[in-house]
Amino acid sequence: GEDVEQSLFLSVREGDSSVINCTYTDSSSTYLYWYKQEPGAGLQLLTYIFSNMDMKQDQRLTVLLNKKDKHLSLRIADTQTGDSAIYFCADFYGNNRLAFGKGNQVVVIP
Amino acid sequence: DAGVIQSPRHEVTEMGQEVTLRCKPISGHNSLFWYRQTMMRGLELLIYFNNNVPIDDSGMPEDRFSAKMPNASFSTLKIQPSEPRDSAVYFCASSPPQVHGGYTFGSGTRLTVV
Repeated sequence: GEDVEQSLFLSVREGDSSVINCTYTDSSSTYLYWYKQEPGAGLQLLTYIFSNMDMKQDQRLTVLLNKKDKHLSLRIADTQTGDSAIYFCADFYGNNRLAFGKGNQVVVIP
Repeated sequence: DAGVIQSPRHEVTEMGQEVTLRCKPISGHNSLFWYRQTMMRGLELLIYFNNNVPIDDSGMPEDRFSAKMPNASFSTLKIQPSEPRDSAVYFCASSPPQVHGGYTFGSGTRLTVV
């Protein structure tokens, strides 16, 4: 089945940039997503990228997609304390199903 | 729209008791998903429905778990009998017919079985 891998933990100083990485296995993926989960809350869709794009920018968020290496990254510019959360990447693999990674916890140090 | 609504937010029950979790998806969304989240296993897809019909329940851990979707605006996940290892946060999510719509998650039900 579809497999999505993420590293587990990232610590970053307020104002610096954060980069979260993700790899996936399905070469036929059409959409890839980034979700954010704040403590005690559900997952919130942050952004998504279509597979024919290399990059997508949305305010402080930049998504990079390397289809050859099946690698997806999320860069958060000017990281703020409100960005402390768990970030999940997800891969759309058909029949309206998403495969989620295990999540990457980001801790922002003031 | 109020989003995906789950109830209760927290549930504490004794081992052996029946537990019912509820979900109201976003109006117009035709797919509904039940997930379980634990520290050890992360997010696990338990079952999903399309147009109220269960499509894939291969993630349901065992026969103690059952899910229903009697209409487009309501779904339940039932555990009977509950066990301590069922303690987790259970999320419901719904998605629209458009393939790139992504999922909208509810706030989850934190279940503790003692």
